[in-house]
Amino acid sequence: GAVVSQHPSWVICKSGTSVKIECRSLDFQATTMFWYRQFPKQSLMLMATSNEGSKATYEQGVEKDKFLINHASLTLSTLTVTSAHPEDSSFYICSARGGGLHTDTQYFGPGTRLTVL
Amino acid sequence: AQKITQTQPGMFVQEKEAVTLDCTYDTSDPSYGLFWYKQPSSGEMIFLIYQGSYDQQNATEGRYSLNFQKARKSANLVISASQLGDSAMYFCAMSVTGGFKTIFGAGTRLFVKA
Repeated sequence: GAVVSQHPSWVICKSGTSVKIECRSLDFQATTMFWYRQFPKQSLMLMATSNEGSKATYEQGVEKDKFLINHASLTLSTLTVTSAHPEDSSFYICSARGGGLHTDTQYFGPGTRLTVL
Repeated sequence: AQKITQTQPGMFVQEKEAVTLDCTYDTSDPSYGLFWYKQPSSGEMIFLIYQGSYDQQNATEGRYSLNFQKARKSANLVISASQLGDSAMYFCAMSVTGGFKTIFGAGTRLFVKA
């Protein structure tokens, strides 16, 4: 139980294009979903928190217009990197909370490796 | 402010031996949860174990146990009988119950030697 999928697992795109990443909780309804960014050999950096049906809450320094988050249902959240540039290349990982024995536990998707050329 | 500290950037352990990964935390909130996650080279974050601040006993999950010392604000992860597949990055994390965020430590990379 408490499985989170993320798609695509990797993507290569040209500079200036937009990329959409999907995050789905497969066997539970996620009250909250989170989007993180991780640079090589570093810890996770929280980008934003989203609740179904409401606007995402972005962390300080994260551009809302650059990283669009849509939480359309209790099982799906999407992150769109708009007008991607090489500096946006990173590992993006989502998590969902609401499944499992403990409601505070976040279950993570497998991550998406984005490379912008 | 809440904070998670992992002071061991890297650790080596011999296969079949036990290893302890250190984690200390800081919060003024009386109700919180502590977590450990494993991140292998594939990148996925795997939930290992959870400890609630009011839990009387240390959490255990198979070969993983959490040595919870509330007064010292430490939540060390103990892996017994290490296996080669345990080689990975390990993150300690904390959430304040009812809060929205979970904060993560810097991580400890564990290398299991054959």
